[in-house]
Amino acid sequence: DTAVSQTPKYLVTQMGNDKSIKCEQNLGHDTMYWYKQDSKKFLKIMFSYNNKELIINETVPNRFSPKSPDKAHLNLHINSLELGDSAVYFCASSQSGTSGRNTQYFGPGTRLTVL
Amino acid sequence: AQTVTQSQPEMSVQEAETVTLSCTYDTSESDYYLFWYKQPPSRQMILVIRQEAYKQQNATENRFSVNFQKAAKSFSLKISDSQLGDAAMYFCASSNRDDKIIFGKGTRLHILP
Repeated sequence: DTAVSQTPKYLVTQMGNDKSIKCEQNLGHDTMYWYKQDSKKFLKIMFSYNNKELIINETVPNRFSPKSPDKAHLNLHINSLELGDSAVYFCASSQSGTSGRNTQYFGPGTRLTVL
Repeated sequence: AQTVTQSQPEMSVQEAETVTLSCTYDTSESDYYLFWYKQPPSRQMILVIRQEAYKQQNATENRFSVNFQKAAKSFSLKISDSQLGDAAMYFCASSNRDDKIIFGKGTRLHILP
């Protein structure tokens, strides 16, 4: 009965590879997000999707491409991985459209390590 | 631009005592929301408490309460009767109409037995 799930939880890969992180929510929410938490624990939003439509796209390299096949899923694909991409990536969801009043529920995070 | 500042990188409190974590924010919006999230060593982000800016009454959730000072743009978290399980990183955050949450840099809370 996990609310927001992410796979994998850990990902270790070589520089230059392409990898994907998957996120699924079973809360019936219509908005999903990707956040990046760096080594200093700083958490910053990357993207958000509402009903499969991109609504927030922060200053993120083009190598990062989110994909939302339906409103319960938001995957993150990363091309040509770099050392600086090492971080914990969090997926979150909310029932949005009401001016931020709805709480965002976070997944367990995916720790990505690029060697 | 929206900003959230937590000026205490680390704090310690004796078990069963009360501790207050500070947070200030800045926004040009009139309609916004404030949150405290907890991140224990398991790294799961857990919502502790939320406050709607239009509400004057301070939010309370069991041992957790906030002191929301709108004019001063201050939003501190008070934890009463601290327990070992409260040890975690605590993030103050705010969101506007666009639902984008801006996080502070966090305060690491240690509970001393």
